[in-house]
Amino acid sequence: DSGVTQTPKHLITATGQRVTLRCSPRSGDLSVYWYQQSLDQGLQFLIQYYNGEERAKGNILERFSAQQFPDLHSELNLSSLELGDSALYFCASSQTANSGNTIYFGEGSWLTVV
Amino acid sequence: AQKITQTQPGMFVQEKEAVTLDCTYDTSDPSYGLFWYKQPSSGEMIFLIYQGSYDQQNATEGRYSLNFQKARKSANLVISASQLGDSAMYFCAMRVYSGGGADGLTFGKGTHLIIQP
Repeated sequence: DSGVTQTPKHLITATGQRVTLRCSPRSGDLSVYWYQQSLDQGLQFLIQYYNGEERAKGNILERFSAQQFPDLHSELNLSSLELGDSALYFCASSQTANSGNTIYFGEGSWLTVV
Repeated sequence: AQKITQTQPGMFVQEKEAVTLDCTYDTSDPSYGLFWYKQPSSGEMIFLIYQGSYDQQNATEGRYSLNFQKARKSANLVISASQLGDSAMYFCAMRVYSGGGADGLTFGKGTHLIIQP
């Protein structure tokens, strides 16, 4: 158990809908990252937050947004969903924003868009 | 831009043998970190080992060691005495530290390792 908690574990929704994925980082970790894993794109970095502020942005679509709350949990919002958004979405956390040797991943949220 | 290359899409290895999973990377930044993760069929990503670009010694964690050859930009994962439970996808990843900040992890395409009894 990495200590990173993601909910829901599985989600099936229709095209055009909006979903929210939730992440609780490891105790003591201030930085949260979101990644997408799909068959065609592999593992891609989406976005990073540190102590409530956005720190780095990757290949995140405009239809997607994220935030980190004062209690350090984070949410990834996916809207106007398309079939191609079906993927495994990972949250990860680390103690710091830009150094350190451990980035731990949650178990992921499987999103299926039908 | 950073790039991670894993040239072995799949590997079959006999139980108890040592395994080397290849990883080469490309970056022009001097400060970076290299990570290896294991992804079993259940899907979770399990952190295995880390090597910093300025670390003088190769990282080791139990049966895992990282063969870091900086001049060749290579960071191979070595698993000693492989076990059936080592069967999984293995990903090499890199993170660049620059200007007081850091990028997200850049991943390779992975190697599917199957341990045979």
